[in-house]
Amino acid sequence: QSALTQPASVSGSPGQSITISCTGTSSDVGGYNYVSWYQHHPGKAPKLLIYDVSNRPSGVSNRFSGSKSGNTASLTISGLQAEDEADYYCSSYTSSRTWPFGGGTKLTVL
Amino acid sequence: EVQLLESGGGLVQPGGSLRLSCAASGFTFSSYAMSWVRQAPGKGLEWVSVSGRSGGSTYYADSVKGRFTISRDSSKNTLYLQMNSLRDEDTAIYYCARGFGNSYGYFDYWGQGTLVTVSS
Repeated sequence: QSALTQPASVSGSPGQSITISCTGTSSDVGGYNYVSWYQHHPGKAPKLLIYDVSNRPSGVSNRFSGSKSGNTASLTISGLQAEDEADYYCSSYTSSRTWPFGGGTKLTVL
Repeated sequence: EVQLLESGGGLVQPGGSLRLSCAASGFTFSSYAMSWVRQAPGKGLEWVSVSGRSGGSTYYADSVKGRFTISRDSSKNTLYLQMNSLRDEDTAIYYCARGFGNSYGYFDYWGQGTLVTVSS
């Protein structure tokens, strides 16, 4: 069982916005600003979308944004596009000096 | 161009051992933390272990602590994962990943993975 809890699936129509949550504890998400998000298309390498809760690496679309409130981090994708259909994972530093991933969320673009 | 090429996967019996390698190129290997991440069939990503830039700092997921050992050889630009006492639940594709910037826990480049199957 993952230390970080994500919804198994979310869906949205093209152009809409969706939010994926990632719930942890005060020993991980809530205690540090070291949350990241990845996009994973099956068969391809995962792609880093967000680091340090809300920062985007160079080249990542500004349609992807991250935030955190208490023990829950969130990834918001605005202006949904067909190519956004993928699996999304959060990850957080923990007080045990580990970096677990969440269980993953499958995004379906309707 | 950054490249990470894993090798060493295969079929092994429960209780057996295997050593994975990850050959890195296209960047200064000794300047980055390096990690192993795995994905079991039909499951999500699971962080396994990280090695700091010099190899002096290493950390492990609880699920592999005491059984797996991460190491690196900067003269060969290669990351290793020694896996002992393998269990059925260690069956997965194992990816090596480069740390993003100075981070141990963010990964900007990934290899294509090597499949480890633990089965009798």
